[in-house]
This record gives sequence, C-alpha cells and structure tokens, in this order.
Amino acid sequence: DAGVIQSPRHEVTEMGQEVTLRCKPISGHDYLFWYRQTMMRGLELLIYFNNNVPIDDSGMPEDRFSAKMPNASFSTLKIQPSEPRDSAVYFCASSSVTEAFFGQGTRLTVV
Amino acid sequence: SQQGEEDPQALSIQEGENATMNCSYKTSINNLQWYRQNSGRGLVHLILIRSNEREKHSGRLRVTLDTSKKSSSLLITASRAADTASYFCATDARRSSASKIIFGSGTRLSIRP
Repeated sequence: DAGVIQSPRHEVTEMGQEVTLRCKPISGHDYLFWYRQTMMRGLELLIYFNNNVPIDDSGMPEDRFSAKMPNASFSTLKIQPSEPRDSAVYFCASSSVTEAFFGQGTRLTVV
Repeated sequence: SQQGEEDPQALSIQEGENATMNCSYKTSINNLQWYRQNSGRGLVHLILIRSNEREKHSGRLRVTLDTSKKSSSLLITASRAADTASYFCATDARRSSASKIIFGSGTRLSIRP
C-alpha cells in the first residue's frame, strides 16, 4: 500500500477562493481523521469519520469548513471562502482503531 | 481542545545523552501512543502502550504509563542526531464505539553533535 495520499502537497490561493483538499486513506482502515497544524495552535483535530460517517466535527473552526467522505477510499476537506488565518498544514490520517498513519500533508497559504 | 500536554516544550541535549519527554492527559484512555514528526513531514507512529501496561520498550525507546497520575514518559537512550524531531503523545478519547485520536502540543527535541 502506498500509504495515505494527500493532494495537493502545496496550495496557494487568494482570500475568498474555495479550496479543496483531498485524501486517500489506506485500504481497509475504517477511521479517517483531518488535522490542522499551526505554530500557534499545534495539531488540532478538525473532524473524524468512522466507516465513512462523520462522528465528531466539533473541531471544525466554523461553517466555512466542510468535510465529506463519499466512499471508503476518498475524503475531501473544503474551505469556502478561504481566509489568511486558514493558512496551515492540513494532515489526513487513517487508522484501524489504534495506530494512525499520516499523509504528507497539504501546506495551504491563503494570501 | 488538546487532550495531552507534553513537557518540556523544547529540549536540547548532547548526542549520546538520554532524552526524556513527559505527557499529561485529562480523561480516561484505552491506550497512549507516541509519534515523531520530522520538519515538514507527517507524523510517524513510534510506540503504543495500553492502559493496563506500565512500561514498554522498543529499541532505544522506553515508554512508561501511570494512569493514576494520567501521565506518560518517553525515554530515548543514547540519542543520535537523527533523533532531532518533534515528539507528540496521543490518546484515544473513546466515545461509544468510535475512537478519536487527540494529540498533545509536542516536544521539540534537538540533538547537538
């Protein structure tokens, strides 16, 4: 397995634009997590899914953020409209109950 | 909100010395994990210790868990330059049948040659 795959690796966008981050989890994992990492706030859990169903989205900062998992092999995190304070590295991770495997992250810069 | 808090936030030691990092958490857990993150990369799992275990070893890593104090420590023996990274503890906050993994704020470890 190639591991957790995220795309794009880097994204630079203008304030107000829609941003979509993508994640392909490891086959067979039934948990998928979206995290955001910044210097100020560290590694924050935004939302996680179990068997494609969102379980806890209490970490999603505001309504501008949304996440979907239409099937077991794909998830998206969308920010609309984006703002400069959304600039961060966004990680996707998948797990089969215990150990989490992380993707390489998407570095988002909103200017 | 973060479940775990690492201490210290930053640690700089000489190569060959041992490095000890601590983690405290707030709620009951089923297991506690330690991860490493190299600059600009994703986190990599190092070791997991279950709530009914008190100590675990893996190579140069030694993890202890004290559930009564809600704390854990990670010891890296005979440190090497390649150990320079950030280290995070993570706990699973079990809610009904689903489990979410919450990370602490991390310890930045620097190994001086």
